Amino acid sequence: KQEVTQIPAALSVPEGENLVLNCSFTDSAIYNLQWFRQDPGKGLTSLLLIQSSQREQTSGRLNASLDKSSGRSTLYIAASQPGDSATYLCAVRGRNTDKLIFGTGTRLQVFP
Amino acid sequence: GAGVSQSPSNKVTEKGKDVELRCDPISGHTALYWYRQSLGQGLEFLIYFQGNSAPDKSGLPSDRFSAERTGGSVSTLTIQRTQQEDSAVYLCASSTTANTEAFFGQGTRLTVV
Repeated sequence: KQEVTQIPAALSVPEGENLVLNCSFTDSAIYNLQWFRQDPGKGLTSLLLIQSSQREQTSGRLNASLDKSSGRSTLYIAASQPGDSATYLCAVRGRNTDKLIFGTGTRLQVFP
Repeated sequence: GAGVSQSPSNKVTEKGKDVELRCDPISGHTALYWYRQSLGQGLEFLIYFQGNSAPDKSGLPSDRFSAERTGGSVSTLTIQRTQQEDSAVYLCASSTTANTEAFFGQGTRLTVV
């Protein structure tokens, strides 16, 4: 059974820092991995999708990497801003299932 | 529409009543998912549709929960005889196919009193 873990559970940093959020999964037979952010009381916003054949994806200040063999993905946020404050979730889609399995998230707070 | 639309955004119901939650996926998306997020918890998978069929309904917590999808578009999640433990945010997502980027709606916050 696929299990997804995110570390740390919470993170508070001053504005301007570069951050790394971690996601690990137990079954490497995945189709893809997707990173989301969730603002309080809101739905999920898709940030990046990495296919299993890819090593990384970039969007603006965000860079996500995938090491399928070791069951890890990292989300790198450059030059963090207060507007980046949210909960970040990773989700994997396995090859034997069509559903996304979510981690429990990292709650990020960036203070001015 | 431009994104996944869910209605109502908030629903307060009395214990024992039935409720219907609606999801309008992005036009042309054949895959549709329902998830539940309880307070302080992660996202719990409920059911997956491919077109009008539900090949995976393994996450429905009890037979009080059912869902259907018509015309390969709108989906309705029905909860019968609601209980207080059903209180949660119900999220819907859609994607072009089963293995492409998923987009979520804003959710329906259900409160059972």
